[in-house]
Amino acid sequence: AQSVTQPDIHITVSEGASLELRCNYSYGATPYLFWYVQSPGQGLQLLLKYFSGDTLVQGIKGFEAEFKRSQSSFNLRKPSVHWSDAAEYFCAVGARSGGGADGLTFGKGTHLIIQP
Amino acid sequence: DADVTQTPRNRITKTGKRIMLECSQTKGHDRMYWYRQDPGLGLRLIYYSFDVKDINKGEISDGYSVSRQAQAKFSLSLESAIPNQTALYFCATSETAGNTIYFGEGSWLTVV
Repeated sequence: AQSVTQPDIHITVSEGASLELRCNYSYGATPYLFWYVQSPGQGLQLLLKYFSGDTLVQGIKGFEAEFKRSQSSFNLRKPSVHWSDAAEYFCAVGARSGGGADGLTFGKGTHLIIQP
Repeated sequence: DADVTQTPRNRITKTGKRIMLECSQTKGHDRMYWYRQDPGLGLRLIYYSFDVKDINKGEISDGYSVSRQAQAKFSLSLESAIPNQTALYFCATSETAGNTIYFGEGSWLTVV
């Protein structure tokens, strides 16, 4: 079964600074990988996803993520954060096969705080 | 209008009561899911359904049941609610296995 680890429960970044949120996964083959964002009181919005091809994926709101097979990682980055980026961020992994457990497996989330 | 709609959005219920959370979608997806979110635990899969005739247990199905009334409707029931079922519940849909999952806005359930 797949699993996801987000090592940082909370991260505080100054507005305008760069951001990197870490995500490591465990899966027997190349997975589907996702980053979702949850603003306070809201549902989950897809930021970006990796299925295949270019390992650097561009998403919405200026975010990008890089799939590194050798490190089993899919870290999320943004060059300059805005106060509106304060939210909970979830990394998720999905199995390529339709057999067995379906749906996505989520990490426990990283809470991003933006300092003025 | 939202593609994935959950009702109710908020509900307070008493221990031992039966409660149903409903979900409807306009995306035309075959696959539907119910997740539960608890602080510090992320999202955990309760049940998922590939189509009307195919329902499967997820990671934490004990104490829950589901019904897929139609392709567009997937409801979650707590037959006898208990306080540790207090959580934020999300319905979601996807087109195929491993594909992007689209979430509803969530239903806050408090069991007192």
